[in-house]
Amino acid sequence: NAGVTQTPKFQVLKTGQSMTLQCAQDMNHNSMYWYRQDPGMGLRLIYYSASEGTTDKGEVPNGYNVSRLNKREFSLRLESAAPSQTSVYFCASSATVNTEAFFGQGTRLTVV
Amino acid sequence: AQKITQTQPGMFVQEKEAVTLDCTYDTSDPSYGLFWYKQPSSGEMIFLIYQGSYDQQNATEGRYSLNFQKARKSANLVISASQLGDSAMYFCAMRPTSGTYKYIFGTGTRLKVLA
Repeated sequence: NAGVTQTPKFQVLKTGQSMTLQCAQDMNHNSMYWYRQDPGMGLRLIYYSASEGTTDKGEVPNGYNVSRLNKREFSLRLESAAPSQTSVYFCASSATVNTEAFFGQGTRLTVV
Repeated sequence: AQKITQTQPGMFVQEKEAVTLDCTYDTSDPSYGLFWYKQPSSGEMIFLIYQGSYDQQNATEGRYSLNFQKARKSANLVISASQLGDSAMYFCAMRPTSGTYKYIFGTGTRLKVLA
């Protein structure tokens, strides 16, 4: 039971570098989400995809882009990393609006 | 706009006692779901309990119950008979059942259970 798989688990970037965080779920869920978690700020929604083929901005989308490649995969791209993007990133998916979200194990990203 | 507020950054409770973690929300959506998650120090997110906005009864799952007061827009989590393993961060979350489907979280409450 893989559930939601995120890669990589850890990453260090230099300011200005780009990278893509990968997320895949094998539960045939419609909705997928990207969050960042910072101390004292809880989980903040970056982008979400209610269904395959759609993406929408969340609470803190600036500096990020996403791609819903297919029903399974939802990637998050940082085009030009900044120290303010140092955070733990979580991908999540859910089957329907009334069911819980399943989370990946998180990616700890440090931008120096 | 949607908003979740958790006003207790940290809480202490004695083992075997009950504790209430507060959550208030704001939304203009007529129909929504409310969720609670636990995040232990290991970092994974664990789903605890769900309450639909039109559910007549408060949700319960084992030692967890959700005290839902729709008019006050509150969805407090009650943990009965606290255990040392309950020490963790607890997050309240909300998602409308139509429209935007934004799934947002509060800032969390760190619970420490004392032996």
